[in-house]
Amino acid sequence: NAGVMQNPRHLVRRRGQEARLRCSPMKGHSHVYWYRQLPEEGLKFMVYLQKENIIDESGMPKERFSAEFPKEGPSILRIQQVVRGDSAAYFCASSQGRTSGANVLTFGAGSRLTVL
Amino acid sequence: DQQVKQNSPSLSVQEGRISILNCDYTNSMFDYFLWYKKYPAEGPTFLISISSIKDKNEDGRFTVFLNKSAKHLSLHIVPSQPGDSAVYFCAASGVGSGNTGKLIFGQGTTLQVKP
Repeated sequence: NAGVMQNPRHLVRRRGQEARLRCSPMKGHSHVYWYRQLPEEGLKFMVYLQKENIIDESGMPKERFSAEFPKEGPSILRIQQVVRGDSAAYFCASSQGRTSGANVLTFGAGSRLTVL
Repeated sequence: DQQVKQNSPSLSVQEGRISILNCDYTNSMFDYFLWYKKYPAEGPTFLISISSIKDKNEDGRFTVFLNKSAKHLSLHIVPSQPGDSAVYFCAASGVGSGNTGKLIFGQGTTLQVKP
């Protein structure tokens, strides 16, 4: 009964390289959310996706960041030309979507990106 | 524009006593509030939620109180245990967050429960 799986857990990149973070949602969940936690800060919403669709990307930086959730395979958060300020923990969460109660998100353990 | 605020970065309590974690919000259109707990190097885990039409929800040692007029909620942990030591995040969702189900989080409060 695997939960939300994220990989890699740790990723080190040099400035200008690309970072790809993967997320497999919990079984039965079709809604994926990505959050970023900068050092000493809370969780900031980045993007919300359903299969093959971006529903809400209001928290995504305008440049260098993109996300997808293809029909087959995990959701991918892609950061091009990384800069030191991208160093953070990136958390993926999934849910069954809004029902009659609170939309409880189940989080993965996170991917920690370090940019040298 | 921080819509959900946790103004106390840290809290220290003695084992067996009550822990009270506070959260304030600015958007009256939120319809659900949730609390998450996070240990180092792990993802946040869901603790308890409350609907905006309620003023209290209880689950074991955890109780959440909501004061809509003050736009304030609190999480009470009684009795506190050393294993409760973690970062606690308050979160909100609903029309106030675009009604997409996304959660808006506060900055977190680090709780330390001393044996």
